[in-house]
Amino acid sequence: GQNIDQPTEMTATEGAIVQINCTYQTSGFNGLFWYQQHAGEAPTFLSYNVLDGLEEKGRFSSFLSRSKGYSYLLLKELQMKDSASYLCAVNGRDSNYQLIWGAGTKLIIKP
Amino acid sequence: GAVVSQHPSRVICKSGTSVKIECRSLDFQATTMFWYRQFPKQSLMLMATSNEGSKATYEQGVEKDKFLINHASLTLSTLTVTSAHPEDSSFYICSARPKLAVNTGELFFGEGSRLTVL
Repeated sequence: GQNIDQPTEMTATEGAIVQINCTYQTSGFNGLFWYQQHAGEAPTFLSYNVLDGLEEKGRFSSFLSRSKGYSYLLLKELQMKDSASYLCAVNGRDSNYQLIWGAGTKLIIKP
Repeated sequence: GAVVSQHPSRVICKSGTSVKIECRSLDFQATTMFWYRQFPKQSLMLMATSNEGSKATYEQGVEKDKFLINHASLTLSTLTVTSAHPEDSSFYICSARPKLAVNTGELFFGEGSRLTVL
């Protein structure tokens, strides 16, 4: 079957760095996405990885290893507004870009 | 960035009535729109995929006669929850894939619609 795993909840301190891991097992792979979702709101796009390596975008970076079925989202210089759920999603089927979603990691930032 | 507008953002209705939710891409053409449902503290669950001008493809377990999806144009898709019941109460979110974004797969999400069925 197809499966995406990520931790349910993580806690970090304001100003620190946190890494949110995601492992996946899918039939085929056409890219991995990270989305941020604040409570009661729709998800917003953070990053997209289709090749191995690290993609850096400001305070956020995303890493992908296709051979290991593994990705992580790295958040630096944490701010209170980063408290949200972070969703890992994989396009594992076809070019219609139907995404397979992880359950999300709730990140709690403490002062 | 691209904007997707979803309306209404909140709706409360009586059991047995029908509710229509609209999803519009405001500044781009969307060949494909996705409809999701999200229950509290759970991840997004894909309900159906709609392509402009063709019938929607529903995920397993989603009743096509209960959740009617119409994608009449490249900028508008609608989801109608027919004969709504309290268990249909949920957060419904649409997303759109721009016609020109064929290589990125990036999706743009509407604001979501919170449906409460009494």
